[in-house]
Amino acid sequence: GEDVEQSLFLSVREGDSSVINCTYTDSSSTYLYWYKQEPGAGLQLLTYIFSNMDMKQDQRLTVLLNKKDKHLSLRIADTQTGDSAIYFCAESRTGANNLFFGTGTRLTVIP
Amino acid sequence: DTEVTQTPKHLVMGMTNKKSLKCEQHMGHRAMYWYKQKAKKPPELMFVYSYEKLSINESVPSRFSPECPNSSLLNLHLHALQPEDSALYLCASSPRGGPAWTEAFFGQGTRLTVV
Repeated sequence: GEDVEQSLFLSVREGDSSVINCTYTDSSSTYLYWYKQEPGAGLQLLTYIFSNMDMKQDQRLTVLLNKKDKHLSLRIADTQTGDSAIYFCAESRTGANNLFFGTGTRLTVIP
Repeated sequence: DTEVTQTPKHLVMGMTNKKSLKCEQHMGHRAMYWYKQKAKKPPELMFVYSYEKLSINESVPSRFSPECPNSSLLNLHLHALQPEDSALYLCASSPRGGPAWTEAFFGQGTRLTVV
C-alpha cells in the first residue's frame, strides 16, 4: 500500500494476546480499519476507528490509535487457532475514494 | 445483512474466452468497487462506481470492462485476458463514496485462473 506499513509475520501461543501494528504517513486519514483474510477467502471487516478517537474496544478486539505517531494497533485477547489469518490495516483519506491497505501481517497461532 | 455476494467463486478461462464476474449487495450502499489481489499482496483498486457512475478507473487495461446495471449489482466483463491476470478479484461496497467513508464490506472473491 501507499506508505502503510505492517510487519509481515507474528506468531503467538493459543490463549496469549496478539498485538498487530501498523504505521501510516498520511495525516489526512479519516477512518482506519482492520480486516482479516483467511486463506482463499475475501476480507472480513473486523473493526474500524474514526481518526479523532484514541481507542475502540469490541469484545476480544482493542484498537489503539496514536495519531501523533501515526501508529495503529490491533490487540486480540485470548488468541485462538481460528484467529490464524492475514490481518490488513487500511485507511481512508480525505478527498480519496479508496482504501489504502497495509502490506498485511500473517498471524500464526500455535496450539 | 452485511453481505456482499460474488459469483462465481472460482473461474478458469482461456485467453480467448469472454466471461463475467458478478457482485451483489442489498445494504443500500451507493459505492461499489473492484479490487485485484495477487498472492501475498494487499488488494489493489481497479474501479470505483459511485451512484452507479464510474468515478475511478485505476488505469486498468481495456480487457477488463466494468458495468453497474443498478445500485445493487456490479459486473466485471473479461475478454482476452493474460495468464498474469490470474488473481483473486474482490468486490466491495460502502454506504457512499468520497471522503466520508465508514464501513467498507468485501465479498469472498472470485479466484480467477487464466490458462
